[in-house]
Amino acid sequence: AQKVTQAQTEISVVEKEDVTLDCVYETRDTTYYLFWYKQPPSGELVFLIRRNSFDEQNEISGRYSWNFQKSTSSFNFTITASQVVDSAVYFCALSATNAGNNRKLIWGLGTSLAVNP
Amino acid sequence: GAVVSQHPSWVICKSGTSVKIECRSLDFQATTMFWYRQFPKQSLMLMATSNEGSKATYEQGVEKDKFLINHASLTLSTLTVTSAHPEDSSFYICSARPTWTSGGWNEQFFGPGTRLTVL
Repeated sequence: AQKVTQAQTEISVVEKEDVTLDCVYETRDTTYYLFWYKQPPSGELVFLIRRNSFDEQNEISGRYSWNFQKSTSSFNFTITASQVVDSAVYFCALSATNAGNNRKLIWGLGTSLAVNP
Repeated sequence: GAVVSQHPSWVICKSGTSVKIECRSLDFQATTMFWYRQFPKQSLMLMATSNEGSKATYEQGVEKDKFLINHASLTLSTLTVTSAHPEDSSFYICSARPTWTSGGWNEQFFGPGTRLTVL
């Protein structure tokens, strides 16, 4: 079965703190993709990153960084020096193949991040 | 580029009425569109996958007759919530998948969502 687990339901930090959002996935596919999305209070999903299963290099984009480890089936997301604008719900997602080979996304339950001034 | 719009952005209706939500890919053609619903403080739940010109594929537990999906063109898919009831109140999000791939993955571009409130 394919599954994404985001064990942290809510996280609250003070501005400028670093924070890591955990994501653990399960899949039997040999080729798959992992994603992170941000959903601010407006509701519109913001794409952050896509990583394929053959690329285990960590990625850094500004204050954001991602740690992909196949050995532990984890794809964790770190925000360095958090800001109030980072307050949102963050979703981790995994690609899966459904009927007709239309790849769909399996979503975690999300982690609600509150960054307080 | 790769913009997806949804209309309306929010709608309030009376119980028993039907509501149509449109999802449009504005600057690309989408052979596949996905419809999700999201309850407050919950994750996205895939409702159905629609391919242009063919019947939608519904996820288990989603009533086909309740949530009618039409994907009549490569840029438009509609979701009609028939005989809506308060329990149908939710945030409905569509995504559109273009014909091109990026790194082997067919991207999904998400619409801004439609908030439905049924009184």
